Amino acid sequence: ETGVTQSPTHLIKTRGQQVTLRCSSQSGHNTVSWYQQALGQGPQFIFQYYREEENGRGNFPPRFSGLQFPNYSSELNVNALELDDSALYLCASSLEGMRPNGGYTFGSGTRLTVV
Amino acid sequence: QKEVEQDPGPLSVPEGAIVSLNCTYSNSAFQYFMWYRQYSRKGPELLMYTYSSGNKEDGRFTAQVDKSSKYISLFIRDSQPSDSATYLCAMSAMDSSYKLIFGSGTRLLVRP
Repeated sequence: ETGVTQSPTHLIKTRGQQVTLRCSSQSGHNTVSWYQQALGQGPQFIFQYYREEENGRGNFPPRFSGLQFPNYSSELNVNALELDDSALYLCASSLEGMRPNGGYTFGSGTRLTVV
Repeated sequence: QKEVEQDPGPLSVPEGAIVSLNCTYSNSAFQYFMWYRQYSRKGPELLMYTYSSGNKEDGRFTAQVDKSSKYISLFIRDSQPSDSATYLCAMSAMDSSYKLIFGSGTRLLVRP
């Protein structure tokens, strides 16, 4: 069991740039969700992918987009970065398809700083 | 009003104390209730998971869900300095994505 791995761990980008964050799901997990956690706040749901299809989206603009690959790894892309996008971005995978039985397994996150 | 409310703390207790952490919520559709522990600059780690109402115990941790009051609790017995972290409650409804709705987290400090 390898757990959820995210890369990179830290990233600094300039306002207006684009960024791609990556996530490798825990072995056997076919559902991946992305969350944004601002400093001092709880994580906020961005979107979820199940078997390579988007399955639910939170209150985030279209410049936040994602992909899930056949091996269930995933990417989060953010275009036209804004200062408020600075946050910890968390990837979470689930074993039981879309049901959070036993909860999701989170990665350690990518800390994005936009300057 | 947020869907999930959680006192941010910080909560400071002496080692060995019983800790009580709480969340209230407004969405009656929530069916799954979780508590996560998050150390600084790390991802959340699942501590307790409960489906619907009731109590669940795991070692020093007890989770309680009162759906009639829309109130959940986490109790930590014999608290240890290593329990010092931020505790996040999370909830999910039985919709298509089962997305998690988190509280803002309570910072706990256990003093040796």
